[in-house]
Amino acid sequence: DTGVSQDPRHKITKRGQNVTFRCDPISEHNRLYWYRQTLGQGPEFLTYFQNEAQLEKSRLLSDRFSAERPKGSFSTLEIQRTEQGDSAMYLCASSLDYQPHYFGPGTRLLVL
Amino acid sequence: AQKVTQAQTEISVVEKEDVTLDCVYETRDTTYYLFWYKQPPSGELVFLIRRNSFDEQNEISGRYSWNFQKSTSSFNFTITASQVVDSAVYFCALAGGFKTIFGAGTRLFVKA
Repeated sequence: DTGVSQDPRHKITKRGQNVTFRCDPISEHNRLYWYRQTLGQGPEFLTYFQNEAQLEKSRLLSDRFSAERPKGSFSTLEIQRTEQGDSAMYLCASSLDYQPHYFGPGTRLLVL
Repeated sequence: AQKVTQAQTEISVVEKEDVTLDCVYETRDTTYYLFWYKQPPSGELVFLIRRNSFDEQNEISGRYSWNFQKSTSSFNFTITASQVVDSAVYFCALAGGFKTIFGAGTRLFVKA
């Protein structure tokens, strides 16, 4: 069991650029979640996949954000035309149904 | 709507003191799950405990204990004889449907 991995761990980009993050969940987990965490706050739900189907997306997520989970394995989160307000830690987690989340180390994004 | 409130933003104790972290939740679901997670300074969120809404039995695991009371919609977490290694941010979370909602967290400082 290698745990949840995320890549890259850090990303610095200029406003207006596109960025893509990758998450590799624990292989037998059917659920995959993306969260965003800013300083002093708890993880904020962004979106959720059950296998390859994206079943829920937060209303907070603008059209600039898109996520995929092809073949129900790894997932990518893309942010287009980044803004300074997108600066945050992006967390990926996986689980089996309502079992606890196993979190990855996160990708810290800084938009200049 | 679901909501998790952790009213204590920061708590500071001296080693060996007992400390209780409060969590109050709101949900209209009859079936739901409650969790506690720990986020140490290294940053990665770690699962501590899960309870389902039909199981109000309190639980003890070593120095950790949890008190779940549906009547007051609370799921409090007590650390007995705190240690410096307990210093972290602790998050309470509520899962119902597809979403897991996290509280804002309580930062615990344990001084030697």
